[in-house]
Amino acid sequence: GDSVTQMEGPVTLSEEAFLTINCTYTATGYPSLFWYVQYPGEGLQLLLKATKADDKGSNKGFEATYRKETTSFHLEKGSVQVSDSAVYFCALTNGNQFYFGTGTSLTVIP
Amino acid sequence: DADVTQTPRNRITKTGKRIMLECSQTKGHDRMYWYRQDPGLGLRLIYYSFDVKDINKGEISDGYSVSRQAQAKFSLSLESAIPNQTALYFCATSGSSGANVLTFGAGSRLTVL
Repeated sequence: GDSVTQMEGPVTLSEEAFLTINCTYTATGYPSLFWYVQYPGEGLQLLLKATKADDKGSNKGFEATYRKETTSFHLEKGSVQVSDSAVYFCALTNGNQFYFGTGTSLTVIP
Repeated sequence: DADVTQTPRNRITKTGKRIMLECSQTKGHDRMYWYRQDPGLGLRLIYYSFDVKDINKGEISDGYSVSRQAQAKFSLSLESAIPNQTALYFCATSGSSGANVLTFGAGSRLTVL
């Protein structure tokens, strides 16, 4: 069945460091891919999405490219801020159900 | 007001009690979902509904039931709560066409003693 495998954390970075969180997926057909972010005490919010191969989703300085050949959707940001500290979830949908990775906790220290 | 509202936000109860978590939405979405979040396990789907007359079991439905009272309302019940149902519960909604995006509520934290 469809599934998402996500880089385990926790990840701790200094402010202005480069961030990569790896995500790979298994799916039949042509899923849409997402990154969601969960700030402390809140629900999940959509960070970015991509709906077809080679699409790049971007938002708030974060980017991820839908790579069908490697079944990956890695999240990157060139310079993280303290306010980026949160849990990040990779997810996919086949049009009916959504499948989530286990989440990666990011802490950015000043 | 939030697009997806969950009540209660926090609840502490005892083993064997019946608990209902409620969810309402103003997005006009047909599809509604209940997820459970546990540390290290991510989000797991409990039940989902694609319209008022449609109820489907998810990955971990045992011990839970749901009711879709209206397009905008989807409640989750624990008939006889047990300690391993202590978790953070999320309701979410999505549309039914195009690149669906889930919109989440703020969560309901349930503790079963």
